[in-house]
Amino acid sequence: EPEVTQTPSHQVTQMGQEVILRCVPISNHLYFYWYRQILGQKVEFLVSFYNNEISEKSEIFDDQFSVERPDGSNFTLKIRSTKLEDSAMYFCASSEGQANQPQHFGDGTRLSIL
Amino acid sequence: AQSVTQLDSQVPVFEEAPVELRCNYSSSVSVYLFWYVQYPNQGLQLLLKYLSGSTLVKGINGFEAEFNKSQTSFHLRKPSVHISDTAEYFCAVRNFGNEKLTFGTGTRLTIIP
Repeated sequence: EPEVTQTPSHQVTQMGQEVILRCVPISNHLYFYWYRQILGQKVEFLVSFYNNEISEKSEIFDDQFSVERPDGSNFTLKIRSTKLEDSAMYFCASSEGQANQPQHFGDGTRLSIL
Repeated sequence: AQSVTQLDSQVPVFEEAPVELRCNYSSSVSVYLFWYVQYPNQGLQLLLKYLSGSTLVKGINGFEAEFNKSQTSFHLRKPSVHISDTAEYFCAVRNFGNEKLTFGTGTRLTIIP
């Protein structure tokens, strides 16, 4: 069964540094998402992306964050200047075009900010 | 705005016993409902979904859930649990016309041998 893949599985970064989290969505999917889960808290929506632009974003997704689909397969989340509170598990997800199709998640990238 | 409440943060159950994990949601519009499971050190895997039609939906691994519109609930059930069902279970809601999933805080299911 096709799946969403995320790299790296664990990223350790110094505070203030830029980090890029990478995702390869399922190949025929058209909608892409990023969520995060701070340790011990619920999974939170960050952003959705369709047709090469952001279609929806949460209040968490401020100017420090950006997303990009640099080629036909990758979907990336960039955090420009990381803060301690950015430490979390970041999940990428994708879905087919129809609005009622479920989102399929990757295994996540654990981001640790020192 | 939509919200999801999972009242039970932890549920211990003996092996082969039945289990129900509770989920209630709040939304001003029609919704799609989902249950996801997260095994240790893994991502979120879709268990089942309610989109429309029959209110009883069946998913993978013998799980099922029933959508109750009047009670705004979508409880997850399994008639007989196995050790391998030990995981965290998340209920999620998505409004019609909206893309984001809103998750509950999760229920940790622990199976006692």
